[in-house]
Amino acid sequence: NAGVTQTPKFRVLKTGQSMTLLCAQDMNHEYMYWYRQDPGMGLRLIHYSVGEGTTAKGEVPDGYNVSRLKKQNFLLGLESAAPSQTSVYFCASSSWTGSSYNEQFFGPGTRLTVL
Amino acid sequence: AQSVTQPDIHITVSEGASLELRCNYSYGATPYLFWYVQSPGQGLQLLLKYFSGDTLVQGIKGFEAEFKRSQSSFNLRKPSVHWSDAAEYVCAVGAPHSGNTGKLIFGQGTTLQVKP
Repeated sequence: NAGVTQTPKFRVLKTGQSMTLLCAQDMNHEYMYWYRQDPGMGLRLIHYSVGEGTTAKGEVPDGYNVSRLKKQNFLLGLESAAPSQTSVYFCASSSWTGSSYNEQFFGPGTRLTVL
Repeated sequence: AQSVTQPDIHITVSEGASLELRCNYSYGATPYLFWYVQSPGQGLQLLLKYFSGDTLVQGIKGFEAEFKRSQSSFNLRKPSVHWSDAAEYVCAVGAPHSGNTGKLIFGQGTTLQVKP
């Protein structure tokens, strides 16, 4: 049981390049989330998904797109990277019991630098 | 709107001393409350959570937290800190009726340094 995994762990991009971050979970969780973490800002929600085939915008969605074609995977895309997107990106997943939701489980993060 | 405040950005304690990290939230009803720990270069690991019931909750690694409704607080405590506790601690709040999205609001985190 690997939990939540993220690929890659590190990446350096040049301004204008594109890339996709992959998140995978093996806990059969319905909900998945993408966050960015910047110094002094705390975790900020980029996009989230409440089930396969569904996505929704979070607090800071501009410049990012997501897809959830399979329940276990949640992809975060940067079409044209900007230096302001330099950050650490975390993926998380959680489950819904029908009466409440449970804690989020986090991946190890992806450190992205945009030059 | 919900919000979470961790008033202390950085705290230093001596090994063996007691610890209390503060977390205050803003929400109209009783929220779901979480404390996570993040070691350098790692993801967040859940320490403990409060949904309802007993307001004093026990977590992993000897941590506990107390929910105080009157103060809108959920402070994290440990009676005796170990050097390995040095990390960032993040408080999070979730709304029980958040449209079934499971979204959480996170505080800015408190960095704990432990002096030998």
